[in-house]
Amino acid sequence: GAVVSQHPSRVICKSGTSVKIECRSLDFQATTMFWYRQFPKQSLMLMATSNEGSKATYEQGVEKDKFLINHASLTLSTLTVTSAHPEDSSFYICSAREVLGGRDTQYFGPGTRLTVL
Amino acid sequence: DAKTTQPPSMDCAEGRAANLPCNHSTISGNEYVYWYRQIHSQGPQYIIHGLKNNETNEMASLIITEDRKSSTLILPHATLRDTAVYYCIAINSGGSNYKLTFGKGTLLTVNP
Repeated sequence: GAVVSQHPSRVICKSGTSVKIECRSLDFQATTMFWYRQFPKQSLMLMATSNEGSKATYEQGVEKDKFLINHASLTLSTLTVTSAHPEDSSFYICSAREVLGGRDTQYFGPGTRLTVL
Repeated sequence: DAKTTQPPSMDCAEGRAANLPCNHSTISGNEYVYWYRQIHSQGPQYIIHGLKNNETNEMASLIITEDRKSSTLILPHATLRDTAVYYCIAINSGGSNYKLTFGKGTLLTVNP
């Protein structure tokens, strides 16, 4: 299957700082990428849909000014958590949508564990 | 997208087949059934998907009932590394509002 990478895999930061997470599709182009968040013992929750060359679409309850998304190319989307606070500590996972030969599949990155002190 | 229902947990002996059920009684004609799994502290891994025909790949087989109201994911020879949460999702893959909605899934525990 297609490969999606995330960087960094783990980050610890102080409260009030901003953190940028990168998501890359390594062997395919993705016009659409997605950002999820997962708290301990819970399922993945979609935060936003990122479309190349246009503004991201955020799910209800997700602050767009706090979670900045940039999808500058067909292989890269970034999520910036601005002014992070301890309650933003979570597992952030991206995915990239591949449409190939009539098959439509989302492939996920390995996730980024964010800890805000 | 149609709601799916899965048992919260299942056990399987190593080397035996693991059969994971999923109910999607309200699925519409253009919705596909996707299966993903998530091993602890990792991102979800795509397994397989299908519309109405049974599908098989190197990881698993997907059996969809003729009325499409339920399906079964089969891991033919489960190993300890198959222990994970398995998610069944019904979605219109060709739609513009293409979003995967993860439920609670089934925690499959493969025992030695």
